[in-house]
Amino acid sequence: QKEVEQNSGPLSVPEGAIASLNCTYSDRGSQSFFWYRQYSGKSPELIMSIYSNGDKEDGRFTAQLNKASQYVSLLIRDSQPSDSATYLCAVKVDSSYKLIFGSGTRLLVRP
Amino acid sequence: DVKVTQSSRYLVKRTGEKVFLECVQDMDHENMFWYRQDPGLGLRLIYFSYDVKMKEKGDIPEGYSVSREKKERFSLILESASTNQTSMYLCASRRPGQSYEQYFGPGTRLTVT
Repeated sequence: QKEVEQNSGPLSVPEGAIASLNCTYSDRGSQSFFWYRQYSGKSPELIMSIYSNGDKEDGRFTAQLNKASQYVSLLIRDSQPSDSATYLCAVKVDSSYKLIFGSGTRLLVRP
Repeated sequence: DVKVTQSSRYLVKRTGEKVFLECVQDMDHENMFWYRQDPGLGLRLIYFSYDVKMKEKGDIPEGYSVSREKKERFSLILESASTNQTSMYLCASRRPGQSYEQYFGPGTRLTVT
């Protein structure tokens, strides 16, 4: 069973701090990785995708991928209360178009 | 801009009713997906469709069927609704090409009483 694991949290950080969210996956052949943000009662919104080892930056967000260690992380710099949400990690695990989602990490940014 | 719409935001149905959930995308995407999301269980794939009239079972297809007669529209059908199908239902579509990014509609919160 191919799995994507995330700590459910909540991860609580003060406003202005860096929030670090982590995700591990079981399928060593995975090639495509995604981070979604989901506000309470809303649908997931794609915020980052990453395909190669290393870092990818987009504004205050940085995705980090380490295929050898089978983890992907999301850093949020200068965290804002509006970043408070559940962050879902998703991994494409085989030759189909399917994504496997982690159950999400809840982030709370304290003013 | 990516646009996926779902027919209802909230729906209340009785046990045994036939329920139709509809999803429409206007981006000419070939692949569309139906998920359900439950607390503690995360997002689980019910069915997906490669193209018109083509479908494949996901991880939890029991009690559901789907229809894709036109490229832009993907319907999820609950043949005989049961209380354990109370959930948030999310439709997604995938951008063409190699990115595999999926974009979600707003979701339908279905309650079966």
